[in-house]
Amino acid sequence: EIVLTQSPGTLSLSPGERATLSCRASQSVSSSYLAWYQQKPGQAPRLLIYGASSRATGIPDRFSGSGSGTDFTLTISRLEPQDFAVYYCQQYDTSPVTFGQGTKVEIK
Amino acid sequence: EVQLLESGGGLVQPGGSLRLSCAASGFTFSSYAMSWVRQAPGKGLEWVSGISGSGSSTHHADSVKGRFTISRDTSKNTLYLQMNSLRAEDTAIYYCAKLKSSVAVGRDSSAYYDWGQGTLVTVSS
Repeated sequence: EIVLTQSPGTLSLSPGERATLSCRASQSVSSSYLAWYQQKPGQAPRLLIYGASSRATGIPDRFSGSGSGTDFTLTISRLEPQDFAVYYCQQYDTSPVTFGQGTKVEIK
Repeated sequence: EVQLLESGGGLVQPGGSLRLSCAASGFTFSSYAMSWVRQAPGKGLEWVSGISGSGSSTHHADSVKGRFTISRDTSKNTLYLQMNSLRAEDTAIYYCAKLKSSVAVGRDSSAYYDWGQGTLVTVSS
């Protein structure tokens, strides 16, 4: 099983600041099979990034994904008030599909 | 517009059974793989099961293997999760999710593009 470790656990930032979230895999993941999701309280997750760097439909360009192998990054260039949420990475390269434990982006 | 509507959650005693349903609309159901993902209270996301578009290939997490069964009925555009021998640790919100491929897991599979609103399963005596 591929274990995904996200860091930091919590990121305290102000609106307008840049957020950098990390996802490290226990073994190599094909870039085509790494996704990022956003989840707000009481809501289902929403796909942000697929294939490590492709934005899903309707996702603003302040969200970007990068990385390869075992190290992946989600960057939010300038935080908007609606971006404060929990973010999960996911690999669907090999079974079982696994998610990271999440990074909470909170208002400082 | 893709719509996924889960139902069937509720309170069940340990050792009991439940069947979750996910009614799908807005797309050609048989063309896309589907999955179940759960989230225990205050915890992260956990993949539970996946099924190919044709229904011929299914996958389950080790934590539910032998107890849960994923299936789909194309005539009803509905995804199911039969849950038997339920345990307290199965308590969670269960989400169904639609992939953009017909393959559920591994090469040629996809991220989870659309999600239902979830249904809560509580296992408690």
